[in-house]
Parts: sequence; C-alpha cells; structure tokens
Amino acid sequence: AQKITQTQPGMFVQEKEAVTLDCTYDTSDPSYGLFWYKQPSSGEMIFLIYQGSYDQQNATEGRYSLNFQKARKSANLVISASQLGDSAMYFCAMRPFTGGGNKLTFGTGTQLKVEL
Amino acid sequence: DTGVSQDPRHKITKRGQNVTFRCDPISEHNRLYWYRQTLGQGPEFLTYFQNEAQLEKSRLLSDRFSAERPKGSFSTLEIQRTEQGDSAMYLCASSFGGLSTDTQYFGPGTRLTVL
Repeated sequence: AQKITQTQPGMFVQEKEAVTLDCTYDTSDPSYGLFWYKQPSSGEMIFLIYQGSYDQQNATEGRYSLNFQKARKSANLVISASQLGDSAMYFCAMRPFTGGGNKLTFGTGTQLKVEL
Repeated sequence: DTGVSQDPRHKITKRGQNVTFRCDPISEHNRLYWYRQTLGQGPEFLTYFQNEAQLEKSRLLSDRFSAERPKGSFSTLEIQRTEQGDSAMYLCASSFGGLSTDTQYFGPGTRLTVL
C-alpha cells in the first residue's frame, strides 16, 4: 500500500517570495512516480510537475521545482516568486509502477495563501 | 486542445434517487479514471478503465455504484439509491497510457449534494 503525508494544512507566503510545500511518502514498490497537483477553489485538479523515482535530477517546470530526496522519501514542491494566483490547495500524489495498478494515492493537501 | 470535460458540474438530489454523471476524456487518451473527493481530503480512487475494459475497482465502489465506458470513449458513473454520505466531488481523469509518466489530467468535477 502507498501513503502520502502532507503535514502542513495551511501555509502563508508573501508575493514574490519562494515557498516549500512538504510531502513524504511510503511505498514498498521499487519504482514509482510522484506528482503535484494544484486545486483552485473552482475544483479542477491541475497537474504541475512529475518526478520519477529513478530520475537522477530534480524535476523543474517553470516556477515549480521538486526537491526529491529518495532516501528520506520526501518530494517537496518549491514555488519560486509566488503570485496571488498561486493561492490554492496543493496535493502530492504517487503512483507505483509495479503492483499498484494505475491509481494515484493523494495526500490531504496544503492550502497555500499568497499575500501582498 | 480540449481537456477532460464532465457533466453536470453540480447535482442536487434527494436521498434514494439515482444519479448519473458523464465524463469525456482527452480524445487520444485510452485510460480513464474516477475519483471521489470529500471536504478536506484528497481524491480517492474509485475505478479505472483501459479502453472499454474496467480493470480496477476500489472497495469504496459499493454495489450501488456502477461505471461504464461502452465504446472506450466517454464514461458514465451511476449511483443508485443515493445516500447523504455520497455527497462529494466526483472527479474524472484521463491519461495516454503509452508513456512511463502516464500523467493523469483531471476534469472540473461534478459536485453532488444529497439532501
């Protein structure tokens, strides 16, 4: 079974500052993918960034980067130069490549509020 | 480039009624997923199709729930004899299935309220 833990129910950040959203995971699968999604108040889940467990480098996608520490089983999302439009719920998710089917397992999310 | 669409966006029903939701995936995607999200939680997996075959179902999917994807394109999720505990956001996602990342792209969801 897979488990995702997001320990920060809510975070505040000032506009233009960087913020790190924490995610730890637990799985017995040797290979897996880690995903971050953004969910604005409208409800749609928006894919942000992906990290494969065998990727040598941390993933980056524009202002988003993933701080992947495999030994610690953590996959923290870093948002640089925060914007007011970044205010949303953020979910970490994982999908094992073997034995777990294709379903995503999500954490409970972190509510990010960007302030002026 | 059209994303995943879901219909209706909102549904209010009385306890005991049947409801049906529709999901249209991204056109070239052969995999389709249903998730349920309750307030304050992340989405939970319900079921998954590859083309028209339903390959996996969660234990969350009681016998009151049924999902179909008859021609490998759109999918429907039906809930019979709705209960107040069925109130949730129902999210549909699709993926290409031919890539190692197999990223799932979500629709806007259908918010169900059972009175």
